[in-house]
Amino acid sequence: KAGVTQTPRYLIKTRGQQVTLSCSPISGHRSVSWYQQTPGQGLQFLFEYFSETQRNKGNFPGRFSGRQFSNSRSEMNVSTLELGDSALYLCASSSGGVYNSPLHFGNGTRLTVT
Amino acid sequence: AQRVTQPEKLLSVFKGAPVELKCNYSYSGSPELFWYVQYSRQRLQLLLRHISRESIKGFTADLNKGETSFHLKKPFAQEEDSAMYYCALSDRRGGSEKLVFGKGTKLTVNP
Repeated sequence: KAGVTQTPRYLIKTRGQQVTLSCSPISGHRSVSWYQQTPGQGLQFLFEYFSETQRNKGNFPGRFSGRQFSNSRSEMNVSTLELGDSALYLCASSSGGVYNSPLHFGNGTRLTVT
Repeated sequence: AQRVTQPEKLLSVFKGAPVELKCNYSYSGSPELFWYVQYSRQRLQLLLRHISRESIKGFTADLNKGETSFHLKKPFAQEEDSAMYYCALSDRRGGSEKLVFGKGTKLTVNP
């Protein structure tokens, strides 16, 4: 099976712009989660989608949003970018049907905001 | 609040020596804990989880509820164990599972 695929791998944006990141989960996985990784804060949960519905959300401002499509692919959007949004954004998929199903991570999208 | 603490940012041992990566947690409820590992230039991947009670690549981890710890241990470290290790707690509040990660420990196994 192909792993979790995230595109693009790298992005450079300027403050005030918006950005969309994409994630294709492992085939058959219905749950997609997003995490932000920074040197200072480590890995922090953004949100989780299952069957096109957001099931859980972390403590991030409303500028961070996401969605999931019927084929389980997910997108994450960040509007009005700030310098502090520079980070590695990781997507993870799982079967999602039961608790503790392992997360399978993508390689991430590295976003740099200048 | 739920929290995972990995007190060591860096840990260096020699090949063949025992290794222990520390993880402490705080969680109001019955915790589910995991260790994830990231080898150089590879993606983050699950190493083991406490409910499985298994040994993966020689690593074991025991949940100690009294000490709120989930330390990762291996009796004889190998050079290929060098990686970044993250302890994570499953937080099921909010309708689905989300992971709360520690800041990670970078393990270096020297020849």
